[in-house]
Amino acid sequence: GAVVSQHPSWVICKSGTSVKIECRSLDFQATTMFWYRQFPKQSLMLMATSNEGSKATYEQGVEKDKFLINHASLTLSTLTVTSAHPEDSSFYICSARVVKAGVTTDTQYFGPGTRLTVL
Amino acid sequence: AQRVTQPEKLLSVFKGAPVELKCNYSYSGSPELFWYVQYSRQRLQLLLRHISRESIKGFTADLNKGETSFHLKKPFAQEEDSAMYYCAPLWGNYGGSQGNLIFGKGTKLSVKP
Repeated sequence: GAVVSQHPSWVICKSGTSVKIECRSLDFQATTMFWYRQFPKQSLMLMATSNEGSKATYEQGVEKDKFLINHASLTLSTLTVTSAHPEDSSFYICSARVVKAGVTTDTQYFGPGTRLTVL
Repeated sequence: AQRVTQPEKLLSVFKGAPVELKCNYSYSGSPELFWYVQYSRQRLQLLLRHISRESIKGFTADLNKGETSFHLKKPFAQEEDSAMYYCAPLWGNYGGSQGNLIFGKGTKLSVKP
C-alpha cells in the first residue's frame, strides 16, 4: 500500500526559531499533499493544499508567511513553521493523494504526524 | 459552508453488541464520503468510502441523501474496533485534480469485553 512518512516525529524548539517538517510519499508519486493541524482531543483542521511545482493553497485563517510550504518534487513536501511561538505547538499531519486514472474519487494516505512543542 | 457533524464524542459498547457511529453533513453539491479510523498510537487510515460500497472489518456505511447522513455500522463490535472514527466528506472537483477532506470532530469508540 501507499506509505507516507514524516520527519521528525517530534521536535522541541525555542520560541522564535523556525522548524521544518518533511512529508514524503515512499512508494508512489504525489502531485498533491495536504497539511493538517490537530489540537489535543480535537479533529484535524486542514491548513493548506500543497501542489507539486506550484504555490500552496492555504485555508482561510492560515498565515502563509508563517507556515511556508514547499512541494519541490513528486515525493516531498515540506512545512516550515517560521518564528515559532508556543501557540504553534500542535500535532502536524500530512497526507498525500493517490490519483488513479479513470476513477472519479481519490484516497488520501496519512503520515504518522509530527509533534511540535515550542518552549 | 460545508459542515460535517459527528454528534457523539464517545460511544461505549460491549463486545458483540451492534454499533452505529453517526455522521451528518451539510448539503452543498454531492460530496464523496469517507470514514477514517485512528487506532491507538497509529496514523489515520482509510476505513471505507461510499463509492466503493465495500465492507471493511465488518463495517458498512450507507449514504442517505434525504437525511444527508453517512452513518457507520457494525453488527457485532469487537474489542479491536476501539479507536477514533472520523467521518470525512470530500468536496471539490473529482478526477484527482481538486477536492478537500473536511473532517468531523470524531467519535471515540470503546468496546468493552
